[in-house]
Amino acid sequence: ETGVTQSPTHLIKTRGQQVTLRCSSQSGHNTVSWYQQALGQGPQFIFQYYREEENGRGNFPPRFSGLQFPNYSSELNVNALELDDSALYLCASSKGQGNEQFFGPGTRLTVL
Amino acid sequence: KNEVEQSPQNLTAQEGEFITINCSYSVGISALHWLQQHPGGGIVSLFMLSSGKKKHGRLIATINIQEKHSSLHITASHPRDSAVYICAVRPLNTPNRDDKIIFGKGTRLHILP
Repeated sequence: ETGVTQSPTHLIKTRGQQVTLRCSSQSGHNTVSWYQQALGQGPQFIFQYYREEENGRGNFPPRFSGLQFPNYSSELNVNALELDDSALYLCASSKGQGNEQFFGPGTRLTVL
Repeated sequence: KNEVEQSPQNLTAQEGEFITINCSYSVGISALHWLQQHPGGGIVSLFMLSSGKKKHGRLIATINIQEKHSSLHITASHPRDSAVYICAVRPLNTPNRDDKIIFGKGTRLHILP
């Protein structure tokens, strides 16, 4: 059974650029949640995708958007990057809602 | 005030000591998670519980739903236990009926050899 994987592991961008982060869910999981973790803070919920539909969103602006594909992998897109977007971005997958979430290793994004 | 509060924020102990990390929350929940995060960022789920007590190896997690409090205990601590331990809750009745999890800020544990 393959665990949750994320790519890339590290990324450096400049203000105003756009970025796409990718997450492959664990085999058999149809739900993917994305979180942003700023340095020294706990993760913050960005949004969740369930069977290719957005299923809830945290307090993040519309320039944070996502997709889930038929194989349940997911992308997080961030437009017009700001310095405060520098963080560790975590995705977690689960077998349906309300079940234990399994986390990927994260993508560390630095915005200069 | 954060909905999930952990204490202590930082903890340094000697190898072999019994460790307790506390978590208090202010919302009704359907489940509480204890997670471990090592330097570099990867998060591992240790426990998901909604009542009582769970044990896995040297780790024990307890929850008191009435008091909105949970504890994570580590027996016979070892330097490899050094990590950030995060408490997270799944609230009841989220507006979008989503699977949102609210995280605490974590407790940084350092076990000295």
